[in-house]
Amino acid sequence: SAVISQKPSRDICQRGTSLTIQCQVDSQVTMMFWYRQQPGQSLTLIATANQGSEATYESGFVIDKFPISRPNLTFSTLTVSNMSPEDSSIYLCSVGQGAGEAFFGQGTRLTVV
Amino acid sequence: GDSVTQMEGPVTLSEEAFLTINCTYTATGYPSLFWYVQYPGEGLQLLLKATKADDKGSNKGFEATYRKETTSFHLEKGSVQVSDSAVYFCALRSATNKLIFGTGTLLAVQP
Repeated sequence: SAVISQKPSRDICQRGTSLTIQCQVDSQVTMMFWYRQQPGQSLTLIATANQGSEATYESGFVIDKFPISRPNLTFSTLTVSNMSPEDSSIYLCSVGQGAGEAFFGQGTRLTVV
Repeated sequence: GDSVTQMEGPVTLSEEAFLTINCTYTATGYPSLFWYVQYPGEGLQLLLKATKADDKGSNKGFEATYRKETTSFHLEKGSVQVSDSAVYFCALRSATNKLIFGTGTLLAVQP
């Protein structure tokens, strides 16, 4: 199993600003995943973060809007840039999808006003 | 592409009632199937899984059987409790090892 800590757990931000979300895992993992869960919706994969290389983004998500860092095998950050109210969502970090079950952080609830 | 369809909620039940949440999928091959649960204010937790046809996943009184012929993985529980109130997500792992989620079903159990 894996224990994932996300920070912050929630935030209220002004439009046009940026927020960086941190994800810390208690063990080394090759891939980390970032999801968005919009109000009343399911989870949508934003990108896969690999240590030592650029993140791989899913269709509809771009690096300029959601830059990701992966400095080591236990840590990653997701930045939501130039925020608008449409970015209000829960953002989730996940690990462990390659072979076994996936583990999720508790999520970051973002409200953009 | 791969997709998961699950019944819309909310589902409102009285305590000790029988629960079924339907889930069907479209995928290439035979993907692994999962049910995740999200309690209020928390992240997703794996509830149960099945990796091949006819497998039955079970946990905490919940069960789901991998039905290849109907491409289904319905979640059932014989007697729900108030503490089961949560959002339930059906998911599959695609051939590219990505998790594809359904839209989630909110379950509200009343005492």
